[in-house]
Amino acid sequence: QVTLRESGPALVKPTQTLTLTCTFSGFSLSTSGMCVSWIRQPPGKALEWLALIDWDDDKYYSTSLKTRLTISKDTSKNQVVLTMTNMDPVDTATYYCARIRGVRGYAFDIWGQGTMVTVSS
Amino acid sequence: DIQMTQSPSSVSASVGDRVTITCRASQGISSWLAWYQQKPGKAPKLLIYAASSLQSGVPSRFSGSGSGTDFTLTISSLQPEDFATYYCQQANSFPLITFGQGTRLEIK
Repeated sequence: QVTLRESGPALVKPTQTLTLTCTFSGFSLSTSGMCVSWIRQPPGKALEWLALIDWDDDKYYSTSLKTRLTISKDTSKNQVVLTMTNMDPVDTATYYCARIRGVRGYAFDIWGQGTMVTVSS
Repeated sequence: DIQMTQSPSSVSASVGDRVTITCRASQGISSWLAWYQQKPGKAPKLLIYAASSLQSGVPSRFSGSGSGTDFTLTISSLQPEDFATYYCQQANSFPLITFGQGTRLEIK
């Protein structure tokens, strides 16, 4: 069974750095074609793709947020970590990690349950 | 970046109705399009990938069509559990991905 689970702080202060961890099971991020991505959703708003890391450790970022984002993986721990610097109240959102593969048309076939992050002083 | 525009933004329908949601890309994306269903407080669920391929376990009343810039998601006979928000997602510029703004499907 494939699962992903996000973890991290529920509350961060403006200007702080957010660190989120996605812990997954049921697949290996070393397998060719396998990727894990982060997506966020502000309350009542649409989904926004943030970042992706692939099996070959290539990393890709949203054009609008790339200066603030860093994605990394620890294959031995089955974890993907996202950091976002200089947090602002507009970054308040539910943050999801999800698996994406070419064999599923580069669609997100399995999602974590999401973790809500509030940015407030 | 490729922009994805869904229409309508919201739609009201009754159980048993046939419903169609449209997604338009700002440039051609071949068949690199997926559809998701999201219920309140839950993560999105993949329904359709590669424009028309049904994800395993998804009821056959859901179908997708289109290629290039215009795509549709059709629910042939609405069931009570189908009332949710639906999103399209393009993967033509993978790994740079974009979502539509969502379509809320409400009970009439």
